[in-house]
Amino acid sequence: DTGVSQNPRHKITKRGQNVTFRCDPISEHNRLYWYRQTLGQGPEFLTYFQNEAQLEKSRLLSDRFSAERPKGSFSTLEIQRTEQGDSAMYLCASSLNRALGETQYFGPGTRLLVL
Amino acid sequence: AQSVAQPEDQVNVAEGNPLTVKCTYSVSGNPYLFWYVQYPNRGLQFLLKYITGDNLVKGSYGFEAEFNKSQTSFHLKKPSALVSDSALYFCAVSIVGGRRALTFGSGTRLQVQP
Repeated sequence: DTGVSQNPRHKITKRGQNVTFRCDPISEHNRLYWYRQTLGQGPEFLTYFQNEAQLEKSRLLSDRFSAERPKGSFSTLEIQRTEQGDSAMYLCASSLNRALGETQYFGPGTRLLVL
Repeated sequence: AQSVAQPEDQVNVAEGNPLTVKCTYSVSGNPYLFWYVQYPNRGLQFLLKYITGDNLVKGSYGFEAEFNKSQTSFHLKKPSALVSDSALYFCAVSIVGGRRALTFGSGTRLQVQP
């Protein structure tokens, strides 16, 4: 079990640029989640996939954000026309669909700084 | 809507003493409850969860938590704190038969002094 991996770990960009993050879940996990965490706060849900289907999107996910999971394995999160308010830690988590209380396992996160 | 409250921003405890990190929740329905720990520049690490059954849940590294339905609480406890337990702790909730996403509290920083 190699755990959830995320790349890059850090990203510095200028306002207005596009950025893309990648998440590789635990291999047998069919659910994949994206969260955003700002300093001093708990993670906030952005979106999740079951296999390749995007089943829920938060109101936090503006039109500038898009996520994909094309083959039900890795996922990408793209932010277009970045703003300073997008600066945060972006966390990915994966889980195995269970009838009772699935556990989400988190990656190390990608820290984004928008200048 | 669901929410989690962690009323203490920071908890200080001496090494060897028992520790408690408080969490209360609000959901419309029955909850699944979780505790995660976050070390600096790291992701969240799962500690324990309550699904159903016994109200006392035991987890990793000697941590345990007690589910109290009447008080809508899920406090994290450990009988004897270690300096290495110093970290940021998050309580989270999801709803039985409901949306899968976790709703997190704002976190409690635990500082264990040697």
